[in-house]
Amino acid sequence: SQQGEEDPQALSIQEGENATMNCSYKTSINNLQWYRQNSGRGLVHLILIRSNEREKHSGRLRVTLDTSKKSSSLLITASRAADTASYFCATDRYSTLTFGKGTMLLVSP
Amino acid sequence: DVKVTQSSRYLVKRTGEKVFLECVQDMDHENMFWYRQDPGLGLRLIYFSYDVKMKEKGDIPEGYSVSREKKERFSLILESASTNQTSMYLCASSLLASGGRSSYNEQFFGPGTRLTVL
Repeated sequence: SQQGEEDPQALSIQEGENATMNCSYKTSINNLQWYRQNSGRGLVHLILIRSNEREKHSGRLRVTLDTSKKSSSLLITASRAADTASYFCATDRYSTLTFGKGTMLLVSP
Repeated sequence: DVKVTQSSRYLVKRTGEKVFLECVQDMDHENMFWYRQDPGLGLRLIYFSYDVKMKEKGDIPEGYSVSREKKERFSLILESASTNQTSMYLCASSLLASGGRSSYNEQFFGPGTRLTVL
């Protein structure tokens, strides 16, 4: 399986700080996606980065991809209490995605 | 906005009952997926479908079946519910990408159904 694995499992920060989450995977990919899940709800797509891209931005989100190291990072800048959620990376197989187990982010006011 | 709805937010059933979980999407997506989510195990794919009447097994299909009679609706069926099927069930949909690579596109998720089997 080329399941992505997020690191750390849990992260606790103060509002205004940056949060960085990492994802490692095992085999080659075509794209990597990040999703957010608020407690007890469905997942929401945040950003997709293709294998030929190294960095991508969307608002306060910055995603990097290093295919040589088979790793990606998600940076949330100037975090807010509303960013409290679980964050998952997902790597593509031919017709489906494989999700990691997620990083739980807690942002305290 | 894409909307994916699931028939129930919470469901309590008894062991041995037949359980139907319904999912409907309103954006004409070709692909639909059923996952279950358990603490410490993340999301695991049960079944998916890339067309009406088509279905493919995911990673954990045992004990489940699916039905896709219409493009917008994908049903997950627990033929005889067991306590180890207590879980959060998530439905998702996505567009079919060119070349058949469905995973090129983002998935849109429903709010989830928390199923408890007693």
